[in-house]
Amino acid sequence: DIQMTQSPSSVSASVGDRVTITCRASQGISSFLAWYQQRPGKAPNLLIYAASNLQSGVPSRFSGSGSGTDFTLTISSLQPEDFATYYCQQAHSFPITFGQGTRLEIK
Amino acid sequence: QVQLVDSGGGVVQPGRSLRLSCAASGFTFRSYGMHWVRQAPGKGLEWVAVIWDDGSKKYYADSVKGRFTVSRDNSKSTLFLEMSSLRAEDTAVYYCARAQETVAYFDYWGQGTLVTVSS
Repeated sequence: DIQMTQSPSSVSASVGDRVTITCRASQGISSFLAWYQQRPGKAPNLLIYAASNLQSGVPSRFSGSGSGTDFTLTISSLQPEDFATYYCQQAHSFPITFGQGTRLEIK
Repeated sequence: QVQLVDSGGGVVQPGRSLRLSCAASGFTFRSYGMHWVRQAPGKGLEWVAVIWDDGSKKYYADSVKGRFTVSRDNSKSTLFLEMSSLRAEDTAVYYCARAQETVAYFDYWGQGTLVTVSS
């Protein structure tokens, strides 16, 4: 199975800050990577797919990059609604696996 | 608009069975692969199972293989998850999710249904 490791596990930031979350795959997954945002009590929401493609309706302050084993999610200027938990997910092969999550908190 | 509605959760004793449903609307259900993803209380996301658009292929997480069965009724736009020999560690919110075209990027999710396995 492909293991997905996110860092950091949690991060504190302020409105307007730039934040970067990283995700590492235990083996190469090309660009078969997605990022999701999950708010408490809600289903996850797809932000980025194929490593760098912005899902329709997602604000342009979200961006993704990377290929192979190392990936990043960047939020360019944090807004109050961005404080949530973020997950990466590999779609390269079954079983599908997720990172453990990164909790983004208000400083 | 695309909508997925999960149902069937509840409290069940260890060793018993439960069937979850996911009613889809707003898109051509028979054209999409569908997945189940679960989340234990306070924990991260865990993929559970996938079924191809035509039902021809199914894959499962090792943690549920042999106990859970995914199926679908394309005539009724409904996805199912039959869960048997339930364990305490199966306690979670279960989400159905639509796969974006041919790759397992989950672009739409149900609201989730809570399964609690407890005596």
